[in-house]
Amino acid sequence: SYELTQPPSVSVSPGQTARITCSGDALPKQYAYWYQQKPGQAPVLVIYKDSERPSGIPERFSGSSSGTTVTLTISGVQAEDEADYYCQSADSSGTSWVFGGGTKLTVL
Amino acid sequence: QLQLQESGPGLVKPSETLSLTCTVSGGSISSSSYYWGWIRQPPGKGLEWIGSIYYSGSTYYNPSLKSRVTISVDTSKNQFSLKLSSVTAADTAVYYCASTLEGWFDPWGQGTLVTVSS
Repeated sequence: SYELTQPPSVSVSPGQTARITCSGDALPKQYAYWYQQKPGQAPVLVIYKDSERPSGIPERFSGSSSGTTVTLTISGVQAEDEADYYCQSADSSGTSWVFGGGTKLTVL
Repeated sequence: QLQLQESGPGLVKPSETLSLTCTVSGGSISSSSYYWGWIRQPPGKGLEWIGSIYYSGSTYYNPSLKSRVTISVDTSKNQFSLKLSSVTAADTAVYYCASTLEGWFDPWGQGTLVTVSS
């Protein structure tokens, strides 16, 4: 079955830039989406269609795509950004959705 | 603005069937182009898509769960439901319902913890 691969953890100091990658063979063909999840809460969409930001999401969150890898970038990381981040996409047929394994962002 | 709320038993015995319902408010479950889906998250682990149903009734399931999953819609109650058969302890998780319009899941319900235990 189709898989999306994320690094288990990323650590940055406040004010620095965090980059979280997500790799998958169908990503050149399918959009990717990113979610932020804080403990005890449901996931929240932070990026859709590779690089679009929903209303209400801070401008420091951005997304990009290159080949089979998509990247979530958080510029000027703040303590409140500490959370788990998940990428999501679909397989090449578009009929099966999949999540990456998740990346725990630690703000040092 | 769409809102979704999960409901159902918090404890299910091994080998039995897990049944959950998601109630949709703020919009019609029959709205064209919408998918209605279920996602779960075992304690301390990542998100897993279980399956989705299109507004037309077509269903799409995670291949790893397909043999045990049924998702259906009740338009009269503006609800959709999940049934997962032959559950084991590995099915213990927080179960979320969510809507999908253009490929992403938003909004999500608050989630409901289902524990499989005798």
